[in-house]
Amino acid sequence: AQTVTQSQPEMSVQEAETVTLSCTYDTSESDYYLFWYKQPPSRQMILVIRQEAYKQQNATENRFSVNFQKAAKSFSLKISDSQLGDAAMYFCAYRNTGNQFYFGTGTSLTVIP
Amino acid sequence: NAGVTQTPKFQVLKTGQSMTLQCAQDMNHEYMSWYRQDPGMGLRLIHYSVGAGITDQGEVPNGYNVSRSTTEDFPLRLLSAAPSQTSVYFCASSPRGLSQTYEQYFGPGTRLTVT
Repeated sequence: AQTVTQSQPEMSVQEAETVTLSCTYDTSESDYYLFWYKQPPSRQMILVIRQEAYKQQNATENRFSVNFQKAAKSFSLKISDSQLGDAAMYFCAYRNTGNQFYFGTGTSLTVIP
Repeated sequence: NAGVTQTPKFQVLKTGQSMTLQCAQDMNHEYMSWYRQDPGMGLRLIHYSVGAGITDQGEVPNGYNVSRSTTEDFPLRLLSAAPSQTSVYFCASSPRGLSQTYEQYFGPGTRLTVT
């Protein structure tokens, strides 16, 4: 089974600064998809960004970007110009071609005003 | 288009009681799943379904039962509640496309406490 590891249980960043959240995964598949989800205190799971494994180009969505290193099985999330509304729990997720999802244990991000 | 809906939002049960958590989606998604979220453990898959009439076990299925009689609905049954089932439960759905980067769409969650 695939495993997803988030080694940073908690992170903090000053408002307007940049922070990077780490994620590694273990798989023997070559075709898969990766996601970052945000969970604010409201508990709702919100998709932040997605990446197809066959694409070499790193995905970006406004202030959010990823550093996808397929050989290293690494998928980090960079948040630029951090805002107070970015404070949340962030989950890294792996989806295989069988449509099964695997989630990391999450990183709690605090944004300091 | 309501997306994925879950009821109830909160529930308190006594040990040994049974109940059903409801989940419905109106996006015609084939794939539906139930997760539980516990502190420090992320989301763990309980059961999933790839279409009406087809269900399978996930990582932590014991104590839970599911059925999928329609594409829209995927209820989760707790057969005899135990304190270890105190958790937040999420239902999610996604299309079954293999060549698209379809994410899972989540319901708002149910916070269950078993005393």
